[in-house]
Amino acid sequence: AQSVTQLDSHVSVSEGTPVLLRCNYSSSYSPSLFWYVQHPNKGLQLLLKYTSAATLVKGINGFEAEFKKSETSFHLTKPSAHMSDAAEYFCVVSDRYNQGGKLIFGQGTELSVKP
Amino acid sequence: DTAVSQTPKYLVTQMGNDKSIKCEQNLGHDTMYWYKQDSKKFLKIMFSYNNKELIINETVPNRFSPKSPDKAHLNLHINSLELGDSAVYFCASSRFRGNEQFFGPGTRLTVL
Repeated sequence: AQSVTQLDSHVSVSEGTPVLLRCNYSSSYSPSLFWYVQHPNKGLQLLLKYTSAATLVKGINGFEAEFKKSETSFHLTKPSAHMSDAAEYFCVVSDRYNQGGKLIFGQGTELSVKP
Repeated sequence: DTAVSQTPKYLVTQMGNDKSIKCEQNLGHDTMYWYKQDSKKFLKIMFSYNNKELIINETVPNRFSPKSPDKAHLNLHINSLELGDSAVYFCASSRFRGNEQFFGPGTRLTVL
């Protein structure tokens, strides 16, 4: 069975400092991994995706994530936080070949950015 | 042009009523989904249709019934609404199963 664990429910950083949102996954198969962002009262927007190509994945708005199979991790990083990055972030795993491609969501990490 | 749209955006209703939420995607995708987001922001799949065929049906009360009249539409009908049905419901679509999914803006359902 697949699962995702986001290690922090809340992360607070100062504007201009690095962001690290941690995610560990469990999957019996070769997974697809995603990060989605949800701004308050909005829908979910795809930040980036890993689908067994390059292990370092670049996304929108300066975010990137590294797939580490040995550590079963897919942490999200950004060198310099901006106020507009304040939102809820979801790490997501999917098994495209089984289970109909459904997404399994982590519990979410709320990112706060202080001025 | 909105890629995945949902109506209504807000839905307030009384316990016991029946209501529907509509979803449409103009991306030409084959697969559509319904997710429920609870008050703690946890998202869980409810249903998925691929080319109008039901392929995912999670443990959801049978008061919830999805209907896909065509590939571009996936509606959610809920009978005998209960307080615990209050949540935000998101529709999503993907080109194929397992591809990244594009989400609608959500429908906030409040059952009084």
